[in-house]
Amino acid sequence: SAVISQKPSRDICQRGTSLTIQCQVDSQVTMMFWYRQQPGQSLTLIATANQGSEATYESGFVIDKFPISRPNLTFSTLTVSNMSPEDSSIYLCSVEATGGIYNEQFFGPGTRLTVL
Amino acid sequence: GNSVTQMEGPVTLSEEAFLTINCTYTATGYPSLFWYVQYPGEGLQLLLKATKADDKGSNKGFEATYRKETTSFHLEKGSVQVSDSAVYFCALSDEKRDDKIIFGKGTRLHILP
Repeated sequence: SAVISQKPSRDICQRGTSLTIQCQVDSQVTMMFWYRQQPGQSLTLIATANQGSEATYESGFVIDKFPISRPNLTFSTLTVSNMSPEDSSIYLCSVEATGGIYNEQFFGPGTRLTVL
Repeated sequence: GNSVTQMEGPVTLSEEAFLTINCTYTATGYPSLFWYVQYPGEGLQLLLKATKADDKGSNKGFEATYRKETTSFHLEKGSVQVSDSAVYFCALSDEKRDDKIIFGKGTRLHILP
């Protein structure tokens, strides 16, 4: 298993500002994922971040709005840029399990973002 | 495209009641199916999984059977406890669709003592 921590756990931000969310894993992992969970909705994959390469974004998400860094095998950041109230969500990072467990992912506790 | 539909919540039960949370899916290939659970204040955890038709996943007294004929993966538990109160997510991963995990909307479960 993997233990994942996220900072901050929650924040309240003003419209037009940006927030960077940090994700730290207790072991080295190849693939890290960033999800958004809007109120009453399912989790939606924002992007996949591999160390040493550009993040791969899903349809509807762009780098200018959600820039991602992946400087090493245990850490990643997601920035929510130029925020609007529609960006109010829970943002979660996850990592893929190793050891042959098919597509199991471990999730962080999430960052609850409220944009005023 | 692939999708997951699960019953809306919240679901409220008394302790020791029988639990069923329905989940159906649509997939173009042969997906793996999962149930994840999110306890209050915590991240999602994998509860159980099944990778092929007729497989039964089980963990912590919960069970779900991969039913290809009905495209379903219903979650069941014979006797729930207060500690089972959480949000439950049904999900699928399809190797023909780059293995990305697609989640249902989640079902909040409240167990009353």
